[in-house]
Amino acid sequence: AQSVTQLGSHVSVSEGALVLLRCNYSSSVPPYLFWYVQYPNQGLQLLLKYTSAATLVKGINGFEAEFKKSETSFHLTKPSAHMSDAAEYFCAVSDYTGNQFYFGTGTSLTVIP
Amino acid sequence: DTAVSQTPKYLVTQMGNDKSIKCEQNLGHDTMYWYKQDSKKFLKIMFSYNNKELIINETVPNRFSPKSPDKAHLNLHINSLELGDSAVYFCASSQEVRGRNEQFFGPGTRLTVL
Repeated sequence: AQSVTQLGSHVSVSEGALVLLRCNYSSSVPPYLFWYVQYPNQGLQLLLKYTSAATLVKGINGFEAEFKKSETSFHLTKPSAHMSDAAEYFCAVSDYTGNQFYFGTGTSLTVIP
Repeated sequence: DTAVSQTPKYLVTQMGNDKSIKCEQNLGHDTMYWYKQDSKKFLKIMFSYNNKELIINETVPNRFSPKSPDKAHLNLHINSLELGDSAVYFCASSQEVRGRNEQFFGPGTRLTVL
């Protein structure tokens, strides 16, 4: 069975500072991993995904994530936070069939001017 | 053009009523989903349909019934609404059921049961 754990339900960073949102996964088979962003009162949109190709994945809006099998992690980073990055971020895991798809509990990112 | 659309955007109703939420996708995807997001932003999958066939049916009360008239539509019917049903419901779609495909989400329907 798959699951994901997002450490820190709330993260605050200053504008221009590094953004680091943590995600650890549990999977008995090689997983597919995703990061989604949810802006206030909107649906989720995909930031990036890992599907067993390159371990460093680049996404939209300057975000990237690195798949580390030894640490079972898929942390999301961005070198310099913008005010517009304030949102809820969800890590998700899927098995190869897609029948097992789970979201983490989300991390709310606040960017301080 | 909206890829995944839901109607209505807001739904306020009394306990005990029956209501429906409609979802349509114009992406040509084969798989559609319903999720429930509670007040703490926790997202839980409720149902998944592939080519009009139910493939995921998580533990939800049988008051919730999905209906897929064709692969572009997946509607959610809720009978005998309860206070605990208040949440935001998201519809999503993906190209196929395989796990590597990302899901595209609708804007959500905020259901409030009074």
